[in-house]
Amino acid sequence: AQTVTQSQPEMSVQEAETVTLSCTYDTSESNYYLFWYKQPPSRQMILVIRQEAYKQQNATENRFSVNFQKAAKSFSLKISDSQLGDTAMYFCAFMMPSGTYKYIFGTGTRLKVLA
Amino acid sequence: DVKVTQSSRYLVKRTGEKVFLECVQDMDHENMFWYRQDPGLGLRLIYFSYDVKMKEKGDIPEGYSVSREKKERFSLILESASTNQTSMYLCASSPLGQTTEAFFGQGTRLTVV
Repeated sequence: AQTVTQSQPEMSVQEAETVTLSCTYDTSESNYYLFWYKQPPSRQMILVIRQEAYKQQNATENRFSVNFQKAAKSFSLKISDSQLGDTAMYFCAFMMPSGTYKYIFGTGTRLKVLA
Repeated sequence: DVKVTQSSRYLVKRTGEKVFLECVQDMDHENMFWYRQDPGLGLRLIYFSYDVKMKEKGDIPEGYSVSREKKERFSLILESASTNQTSMYLCASSPLGQTTEAFFGQGTRLTVV
């Protein structure tokens, strides 16, 4: 069974600084998709970024980028120029595109951006 | 935009009550999911459905059941609510066979007293 591990329950970063959130996963499959979600205090889960395992190039969305290391089964999220609005829970998720396309989530990292 | 709507944002129920959590999506998605979110445990899958009247157990189905009579609606049922079911419940949907992300509702915080 696939598992997703986020080893940092809480992190903080100064405004305008860069922070990296860690995520590792376990699977024997070669084709899968990885996601980072943000859950602000409003509770609405929002997709931050996604990565296809067959793509070697790391995904980037504005200030958000990932470091995808397939062999190491690592998928970290880098937030550059952190803003107060980045304060949220961040969840890493895994999805295998076969069968029922279930999404498996990690335990989350609570990020606080300090003014 | 995809919209997933959960019927209640906050709910307080008594122990032993039958509780219905409703979720509706407007994007004709085949897949619908119910997750439970607890601090330190992340999101855990309770049940999911990939078609009308079809359902499969997730990782923590005990004490829950589901109903999907129409494609757009997926209900989570607590047959006899207990205090250990106090939690945040999140509904999500996604299109079958596509590698897109899951889309979430705003969550229902359920308190069982």
